Amino acid sequence: KQEVTQIPAALSVPEGENLVLNCSFTDSAIYNLQWFRQDPGKGLTSLLLIQSSQREQTSGRLNASLDKSSGRSTLYIAASQPGDSATYLCAGAAGNKLTFGGGTRVLVKP
Amino acid sequence: NAGVMQNPRHLVRRRGQEARLRCSPMKGHSHVYWYRQLPEEGLKFMVYLQKENIIDESGMPKERFSAEFPKEGPSILRIQQVVRGDSAAYFCASSPRTSGGDVQETQYFGPGTRLLVL
Repeated sequence: KQEVTQIPAALSVPEGENLVLNCSFTDSAIYNLQWFRQDPGKGLTSLLLIQSSQREQTSGRLNASLDKSSGRSTLYIAASQPGDSATYLCAGAAGNKLTFGGGTRVLVKP
Repeated sequence: NAGVMQNPRHLVRRRGQEARLRCSPMKGHSHVYWYRQLPEEGLKFMVYLQKENIIDESGMPKERFSAEFPKEGPSILRIQQVVRGDSAAYFCASSPRTSGGDVQETQYFGPGTRLLVL
């Protein structure tokens, strides 16, 4: 059974600092790893999807890496801004479903 | 291209009533997934449907919950005789996956329906 863990559960940084969010999963037989952003009271916005054959994906200030052998993915957000404040969720995809971590709640202070 | 639509956005029910949650997938998407987010918990998979077929309902409670995705119209998640423990945010996602098999496409999520059972 796949279990996905995100540490830390919450993170507070000053504006401009780089963010590093960690995600670990127990079953390496995933087809892809997705990172989402969730704002309070809102739905999920897909940020990056890394296929199992890939090691990283980049989009603007965001970079996500995937190491299946160690069961880890890391989301890097460069030069954080107050608008980056949100909860970030990672999810491993296998079979027909996504298995989500508990999320990291990020606060970027101006 | 409109995103995934869910309605209502907020739903209040008394214990014992029925709740119906609707989801219209993105245009061109024929695969729908429902997830539940309990207070202070992560999202949990409930059910995966294609048009007129339930493909995987392994995350759905065995009693009181049902889901459908008819040939015409939105997908419906139905909860009968709601209890306080059903209070949660229910999210629908859709994907354009056209071949059978595993989740290789991004799932696009709707804004969710927040159900409160009094």
